[in-house]
Amino acid sequence: AQSVTQLDSQVPVFEEAPVELRCNYSSSVSVYLFWYVQYPNQGLQLLLKYLSGSTLVESINGFEAEFNKSQTSFHLRKPSVHISDTAEYFCAVIPGYSSASKIIFGSGTRLSIRP
Amino acid sequence: SQTIHQWPATLVQPVGSPLSLECTVEGTSNPNLYWYRQAAGRGLQLLFYSVGIGQISSEVPQNLSASRPQDRQFILSSKKLLLSDSGFYLCALTDRATEAFFGQGTRLTVV
Repeated sequence: AQSVTQLDSQVPVFEEAPVELRCNYSSSVSVYLFWYVQYPNQGLQLLLKYLSGSTLVESINGFEAEFNKSQTSFHLRKPSVHISDTAEYFCAVIPGYSSASKIIFGSGTRLSIRP
Repeated sequence: SQTIHQWPATLVQPVGSPLSLECTVEGTSNPNLYWYRQAAGRGLQLLFYSVGIGQISSEVPQNLSASRPQDRQFILSSKKLLLSDSGFYLCALTDRATEAFFGQGTRLTVV
């Protein structure tokens, strides 16, 4: 069975410091990989995704994630965080390439930025 | 592009009352539809999953039910709410397996 593990439930960092949010997955088939962000009392928004091609993907607000197939990981990084990055971040996979494939989420990582 | 309409944004209901939350989608056909719940400070709990009209998979035993009477309509219901049903409810869709889109959520407080 497929699963997604986010190793850290909370990550506190200081403003302008680098951050890494870890995500590992388990799947017997190829996967699509995603990071979503959720601000308080809102739905989830897509941050970035890996479908194919270059294993390094970037978002418009400075986040990046790298697909590592051998380590089954898709860690999210940002070299310098801002207060506005405070949110909950969810890693997700869609296993297989069928239209009936179900998206599977990790348990989330709460990123808190200290001034 | 795909759009999800979810209402109401907030809801306060007494214990024992019925519930009906509706989710409608635009910009796609035959999507997979999902209902999730977030308890305070917790992650996403998948409640129901649907791959088509009338096809509902329940992920956890609970006091809730779901229906999909039309391709782009997904309804979450309860006959009698419990205090433990409080939470943030999210409707989502996937199509062609490329990503998930979410509604803005409903904050349900059972009192």
